[in-house]
Amino acid sequence: AQKITQTQPGMFVQEKEAVTLDCTYDTSDQSYGLFWYKQPSSGEMIFLIYQGSYDEQNATEGRYSLNFQKARKSANLVISASQLGDSAMYFCAMREFYNTDKLIFGTGTRLQVFP
Amino acid sequence: NAGVTQTPKFQVLKTGQSMTLQCAQDMNHNSMYWYRQDPGMGLRLIYYSASEGTTDKGEVPNGYNVSRLNKREFSLRLESAAPSQTSVYFCASSVDRDALAKNIQYFGAGTRLSVL
Repeated sequence: AQKITQTQPGMFVQEKEAVTLDCTYDTSDQSYGLFWYKQPSSGEMIFLIYQGSYDEQNATEGRYSLNFQKARKSANLVISASQLGDSAMYFCAMREFYNTDKLIFGTGTRLQVFP
Repeated sequence: NAGVTQTPKFQVLKTGQSMTLQCAQDMNHNSMYWYRQDPGMGLRLIYYSASEGTTDKGEVPNGYNVSRLNKREFSLRLESAAPSQTSVYFCASSVDRDALAKNIQYFGAGTRLSVL
């Protein structure tokens, strides 16, 4: 069964430092997509970055990059040069391409950036 | 630049009351979704609609009904609210269900519902 695991309930990072948020996934499908969303204290879900299972290079979007290790089934989010505004909940999610309507979410990691 | 709009933002109900959560998107997306978010858990899919006039059950559909009124609007109805339905509800939309596409889902701001 498809599953997303985020083992870090909370993380702290100092401003301007880099931080890695862990995500592992379980699927028997060869074709899938991985997503990261940010949920600030205001509550909305903000799409950050996407990685397809067949993408040869790790995805990058500004200060966000995805460390994709297919054999280990991990898709860790790396935030470089952390900012105070990065403090939020971060969710990893997966969609199997044969089941295009279902986005499976992990339980999230709360990131706190301190000065 | 509205994206996905949900109303209301907050609601308190008594057990047994009914209500409808409204969702509208202005991105001309074909697919729309309703999720619930409970403490310590990720989002779980309640219902989705791949296109106007179609709806399908997700992971946790019991106690809910939905209506895809037109391409823009997708409502979620609680016929007889229960305390177990206390949650934050999110509506989302995506361009389509194409398996070859990213199919990024864009979310509304959420509705915080308490059932007493």
